[in-house]
Amino acid sequence: DADVTQTPRNRITKTGKRIMLECSQTKGHDRMYWYRQDPGLGLRLIYYSFDVKDINKGEISDGYSVSRQAQAKFSLSLESAIPNQTALYFCATSDPQGGVGTDTQYFGPGTRLTVL
Amino acid sequence: GNSVTQMEGPVTLSEEAFLTINCTYTATGYPSLFWYVQYPGEGLQLLLKATKADDKGSNKGFEATYRKETTSFHLEKGSVQVSDSAVYFCALSGYGAGSYQLTFGKGTKLSVIP
Repeated sequence: DADVTQTPRNRITKTGKRIMLECSQTKGHDRMYWYRQDPGLGLRLIYYSFDVKDINKGEISDGYSVSRQAQAKFSLSLESAIPNQTALYFCATSDPQGGVGTDTQYFGPGTRLTVL
Repeated sequence: GNSVTQMEGPVTLSEEAFLTINCTYTATGYPSLFWYVQYPGEGLQLLLKATKADDKGSNKGFEATYRKETTSFHLEKGSVQVSDSAVYFCALSGYGAGSYQLTFGKGTKLSVIP
């Protein structure tokens, strides 16, 4: 089984709808992240969480919210979806063994979201 | 702020050709540097990393050396295979806004043809 799973894998929705993307991990990591990937722009950080009680905004948090329900679960919500939120969304986890700032991130397979 | 610049693609090579993908960075302090690879339809996975100057990361025949004097971390492979076709991302882990965060380059798509 995959260590980091995301549901759904694909979603088409309409402008104004509320959408939740879910991420689960079995790696036992405290740190979890949400990114979006747009063609030609690389990955950009939306939100991150270093433990269940710690949630922080990333580079592009406007229009998004998150919930860390447990160590293993981190959900991303679009309260009112708009077309420019059409993108590929990735969840990732990490464990800072070996020193702060050196941790490897482990990515889920992604959710392709289309907002019409 | 922190930033990563990598060569734009797409890059198309014949099997067994030599590969170089350039990556330069701007960061304060002493970042760690990474190459991630994204195969079609999959998430990113770590290819290699280096955490201090002059370190060489290597994996699956790929190598990159952390060059602080030129702020570079170029990815190389001596003989590419069709299975190396993927998108490659250079990234740095630098301190900003209260924590260490990954900053990614825009990615370079590599296609290897038989």
